[in-house]
Amino acid sequence: DTGVSQDPRHKITKRGQNVTFRCDPISEHNRLYWYRQTLGQGPEFLTYFQNEAQLEKSRLLSDRFSAERPKGSFSTLEIQRTEQGDSAMYLCASSLFTGGNSPLHFGNGTRLTVT
Amino acid sequence: AQSVSQHNHHVILSEAASLELGCNYSYGGTVNLFWYVQYPGQHLQLLLKYFSGDPLVKGIKGFEAEFIKSKFSFNLRKPSVQWSDTAEYFCAVNEGGTGNQFYFGTGTSLTVIP
Repeated sequence: DTGVSQDPRHKITKRGQNVTFRCDPISEHNRLYWYRQTLGQGPEFLTYFQNEAQLEKSRLLSDRFSAERPKGSFSTLEIQRTEQGDSAMYLCASSLFTGGNSPLHFGNGTRLTVT
Repeated sequence: AQSVSQHNHHVILSEAASLELGCNYSYGGTVNLFWYVQYPGQHLQLLLKYFSGDPLVKGIKGFEAEFIKSKFSFNLRKPSVQWSDTAEYFCAVNEGGTGNQFYFGTGTSLTVIP
């Protein structure tokens, strides 16, 4: 178990720029989740995949956010035309779903700062 | 959608004191329940989980939690805290069976004074 890996650890960008984050889940895990966390809050669900299929996306998620998991392994989260309100920690987690009771394994996150 | 409430936002205890952190959720059906911990500078780690069976579950580092279905609660306990327990604690819930979204509480920051 090499753990969930996220890249980069930190990203500073100017408002209006596009950013992309990558997540490599634990290799045998079929589910991959993206969460966002701001100071003083718990992780907020963004979207999740089972293998390469995106099964659910938060209704609160702006159209500027898109995620992919093209081969059912790593995933990318892209934010277009970033805004200052996008500044947050973006967390990736994975699980081996076999029927509903599998815990999430988290990565260290990507901290995004939009200036 | 589920909601998860953690009533204690910040708790300060002396070493050896007992700990209880509250967690309540809103979903009335079958649930899976989790407590995660985030030590300073580290990623979220699973402390313990409840799926079914004995409502008193034991986790790592001496933590335990009790599922009380009638109260929609899953409180975390530890009889005697240590300085190394200083961390952020998050309760999480997902719907049993589908296990899709995980809903998290806002977290409780625990500071243990030596």
